[in-house]
Amino acid sequence: EPEVTQTPSHQVTQMGQEVILRCVPISNHLYFYWYRQILGQKVEFLVSFYNNEISEKSEIFDDQFSVERPDGSNFTLKIRSTKLEDSAMYFCASSVEGLAGMETQYFGPGTRLLVL
Amino acid sequence: DQQVKQNSPSLSVQEGRISILNCDYTNSMFDYFLWYKKYPAEGPTFLISISSIKDKNEDGRFTVFLNKSAKHLSLHIVPSQPGDSAVYFCAAGSSNTGKLIFGQGTTLQVKP
Repeated sequence: EPEVTQTPSHQVTQMGQEVILRCVPISNHLYFYWYRQILGQKVEFLVSFYNNEISEKSEIFDDQFSVERPDGSNFTLKIRSTKLEDSAMYFCASSVEGLAGMETQYFGPGTRLLVL
Repeated sequence: DQQVKQNSPSLSVQEGRISILNCDYTNSMFDYFLWYKKYPAEGPTFLISISSIKDKNEDGRFTVFLNKSAKHLSLHIVPSQPGDSAVYFCAAGSSNTGKLIFGQGTTLQVKP
């Protein structure tokens, strides 16, 4: 069964460093998403991406964050200058469509980011 | 963001019995709802969904009920199995936006 994959599974970085989290969405999916879950808190929406541009972003997704689809398979989340509060589990998700309602988003296993 | 709430942080049931997980929402713009299951160190796994035009959707042992007037949905698992032990999240979306809003999750423990 096709699945969303994410690398790395764990990332430890120093505050102020740049990190890039990578995702390979399901191959026939057109909409891509990043969510995060800070320990003990809810899963929160960060950004959605379609047709090589951001469709929607949350208040969390400030200028320190960017997303890119550098080739036909990868979808990346970059944090330019990490802060302690960026420590969280980051989930990538994809769906066939995004605005048709009832579109199931399939999630990857997540990348655990720890900022020291 | 309290638009989606799961008020029970945990639930324990005996194997073979019914598990009922509840979820409340406040935003009447939501028009579809999903349940995800999550094991530690894994991503959320899709279980079942329901559109706001329906009040029930069934898939094997899993049934989701939607009460729009009460802004309440529930997931029934019957019979419950030990392998169902996990964190269950409800999530809500609306067709004019792609983002999902998640509840806090309910940890289900099914005892053998």
